[in-house]
Amino acid sequence: IAGITQAPTSQILAAGRRMTLRCTQDMRHNAMYWYRQDLGLGLRLIHYSNTAGTTGKGEVPDGYSVSRANTDDFPLTLASAVPSQTSVYFCASSDDQAGDLTDTQYFGPGTRLTVL
Amino acid sequence: TQLLEQSPQFLSIQEGENLTVYCNSSSVFSSLQWYRQEPGEGPVLLVTVVTGGEVKKLKRLTFQFGDARKDSSLHITAAQPGDTGLYLCAVSTGNQFYFGTGTSLTVIP
Repeated sequence: IAGITQAPTSQILAAGRRMTLRCTQDMRHNAMYWYRQDLGLGLRLIHYSNTAGTTGKGEVPDGYSVSRANTDDFPLTLASAVPSQTSVYFCASSDDQAGDLTDTQYFGPGTRLTVL
Repeated sequence: TQLLEQSPQFLSIQEGENLTVYCNSSSVFSSLQWYRQEPGEGPVLLVTVVTGGEVKKLKRLTFQFGDARKDSSLHITAAQPGDTGLYLCAVSTGNQFYFGTGTSLTVIP
């Protein structure tokens, strides 16, 4: 059972470049999430999707976009990367029918992104 | 301003000692979760508490949700090196999920 996979594992990117972080889950979960984790700030929600075809903004959505064309995939795109987007990015999923966080979120292994 | 304040930020203890970490807020929540994150990996859910005053035990870990559902604590009895990691509390308000900044625990053999 793979759970959630993320790609790439790490990436160094020049400022201004476009980058898509990939996330795939094989658990048929309805909800998916993107977080960034920064030292001293913890995990912060970027975007989420409660079901295929819908997305929503989290706490720190600026500079990021997402799409949810199907249940399994939830890519995160940085249209024009800036150094402040240097972070570790985690994708997560849950079978969260009620949207009240009583269901488990399963996290991927993360993507370490450095923007120079 | 963080919605969830965790303390202490860092904790280093000897194997066999007991410890308590805290997650505090001024807001009331319907539920609260605790996760543990090991270096280079994503967080893994330990427990969800949903009732004020609720106590849940997971082997040597005891979780308590405050009576007013604004805070929570995690107590570890006889800590072991395998308990080393970052402990995160998390809550949701509507569709927004918030994590605390975490307590980084190191258990020294």
